[in-house]
Amino acid sequence: AQSVTQLGSHVSVSEGALVLLRCNYSSSVPPYLFWYVQYPNQGLQLLLKYTTGATLVKGINGFEAEFKKSETSFHLTKPSAHMSDAAEYFCAVSGPYQAGTALIFGKGTTLSVSS
Amino acid sequence: KAGVTQTPRYLIKTRGQQVTLSCSPISGHRSVSWYQQTPGQGLQFLFEYFSETQRNKGNFPGRFSGRQFSNSRSEMNVSTLELGDSALYLCASSPGQGPNEKLFFGSGTQLSVL
Repeated sequence: AQSVTQLGSHVSVSEGALVLLRCNYSSSVPPYLFWYVQYPNQGLQLLLKYTTGATLVKGINGFEAEFKKSETSFHLTKPSAHMSDAAEYFCAVSGPYQAGTALIFGKGTTLSVSS
Repeated sequence: KAGVTQTPRYLIKTRGQQVTLSCSPISGHRSVSWYQQTPGQGLQFLFEYFSETQRNKGNFPGRFSGRQFSNSRSEMNVSTLELGDSALYLCASSPGQGPNEKLFFGSGTQLSVL
């Protein structure tokens, strides 16, 4: 069965510091993996996704993630945090259905950025 | 292009009532899915429609239902509301129905059940 675990419900960094948000997944089939971001009072926006091919995926706003099959991980990083990065981040894996867009989401990690 | 539009933005109902939420996808998108977001359970998949057909359904009771119209607009209905149904309901659309699709989310409908 598909599942996602995000380690740390809340991460705090200083502006300019490295951002590291952790995500581990479980999937019975080769997974498609996603990171979405949610700003207050808004819907979710796709940051990046892994489908096949290159394991280092670059996304919007300077974020990237690396798919590590041996570790079943898909951690999100950004070299230098900006105040505007403060938001809630969700890791997701494609659902257990043979077709369709359904996603299984992690519980989310709230990122705080201080000046 | 206009984004995914959900109406209403806020809704207050009492236990036992029913409610209908509406979602207009991005023009040209044929897949619409619904998610429930709560502080305790997080984001949970409700159901997905493609070309007016329900493709998949999450693990929710039969009180939760939905449909999609020929113009791809979708509605979800919750009957006999319970306090635990209080949540943010998010609609998402995508052009296709593959598992690697990028989902475009609306801002959601915040439902409060009193």
